[in-house]
Amino acid sequence: DVKVTQSSRYLVKRTGEKVFLECVQDMDHENMFWYRQDPGLGLRLIYFSYDVKMKEKGDIPEGYSVSREKKERFSLILESASTNQTSMYLCASSLSDRGRGQPQHFGDGTRLSIL
Amino acid sequence: LAKTTQPISMDSYEGQEVNITCSHNNIATNDYITWYQQFPSQGPRFIIQGYKTKVTNEVASLFIPADRKSSTLSLPRVSLSDTAVYYCLVGAHGSSNTGKLIFGQGTTLQVKP
Repeated sequence: DVKVTQSSRYLVKRTGEKVFLECVQDMDHENMFWYRQDPGLGLRLIYFSYDVKMKEKGDIPEGYSVSREKKERFSLILESASTNQTSMYLCASSLSDRGRGQPQHFGDGTRLSIL
Repeated sequence: LAKTTQPISMDSYEGQEVNITCSHNNIATNDYITWYQQFPSQGPRFIIQGYKTKVTNEVASLFIPADRKSSTLSLPRVSLSDTAVYYCLVGAHGSSNTGKLIFGQGTTLQVKP
């Protein structure tokens, strides 16, 4: 079974702090994703990466950056946390498309609160 | 970008078949349709994926008409443990393209005894 592990289930930070959310997958997947989930808005894609050091903006990249230095690890960075970034953050991974859709495997999420 | 629309909520009773329809009028030629299930405090879990016609696995069936502008997830004989949020995802993803991924709003299915 694919395992996607997010470093924290719950995290509390203060406004203006730099926040790192870490995600590791153990199945050698090429693609990795960061989403946030808010009530009434469903899942929204922040960033994704299809290879080491490669990244693409999703639907809501503002206020976020990402880092993928190793294939198994994808980090989400809040450069200067704000209260509107309080949310559930979900990491996912998948095999490369190669012309066919591939299902995504999700971690259990990090509930981040910005005070 | 293929935007999806699905009902916000549905109710059912144990033992019934449940059909959840997702509308995706602007689906692109290379887009696949994928459904996920999510329980509280957990990440979404893959249920089924298809491109056209019908796909069936041990959990569900997915019906896709010829025009691919909608799809229907069918859950046979639901139980209380099927109470969850169901997401419809349309998109093609991977290193071969830069297509963005679109999740629907999700359908909250409540199964009653």
